[in-house]
Amino acid sequence: EAGVVQSPRYKIIEKKQPVAFWCNPISGHNTLYWYRQNLGQGPELLIRYENEEAVDDSQLPKDRFSAERLKGVDSTLKIQPAELGDSAVYLCASSLARSYEQYFGPGTRLTVT
Amino acid sequence: AQSVTQLGSHVSVSEGALVLLRCNYSSSVPPYLFWYVQYPNQGLQLLLKYTTGATLVKGINGFEAEFKKSETSFHLTKPSAHMSDAAEYFCAVSDRHAYTGFQKLVFGTGTRLLVSP
Repeated sequence: EAGVVQSPRYKIIEKKQPVAFWCNPISGHNTLYWYRQNLGQGPELLIRYENEEAVDDSQLPKDRFSAERLKGVDSTLKIQPAELGDSAVYLCASSLARSYEQYFGPGTRLTVT
Repeated sequence: AQSVTQLGSHVSVSEGALVLLRCNYSSSVPPYLFWYVQYPNQGLQLLLKYTTGATLVKGINGFEAEFKKSETSFHLTKPSAHMSDAAEYFCAVSDRHAYTGFQKLVFGTGTRLLVSP
């Protein structure tokens, strides 16, 4: 069974540029999560989807971050414009509905210069 | 709101020695508790979890953890460290909802385990 797929794995951009991350969850997993992991910290939830619906986006900085999950499968997280403080690893995870067991992708390491 | 405290950002042990990684949590309701491991440039992998029932939980790779409600702790142990155990370990807590099920994970800041020959 394929795991959670994320791309790109690494991204370097200049500040004020836009960037997008893509996530393909495990087949059949209704719930999808985006986390941000700053250097030396644990992951922090940005947004959680149940199928197509964003059910928890309280930690998503909505002035510059956006996310979508069309058709309840793949998801894209976008930052526009990026700031220096956005440098981090962005992790995607998925789970079955109402399950506590999350499966994480390898993450996208973003560096903003 | 839930929170997790991991004591010690780095723990060093010799190969074959006991591994003890500490985790204390704060939760207003009976929690779900988790330990995840992260190898360099990889995502997080679930080691073990406590939800209900037996307070001593066994996980993969010989790790186990014990839920102690009176101490609000969920320390991770392994009797004998192996070089391949060197990684970052994260403790996490989640509340539980009777009708909506599992919600979000709140992670600690992580403990890097170093294993020397």
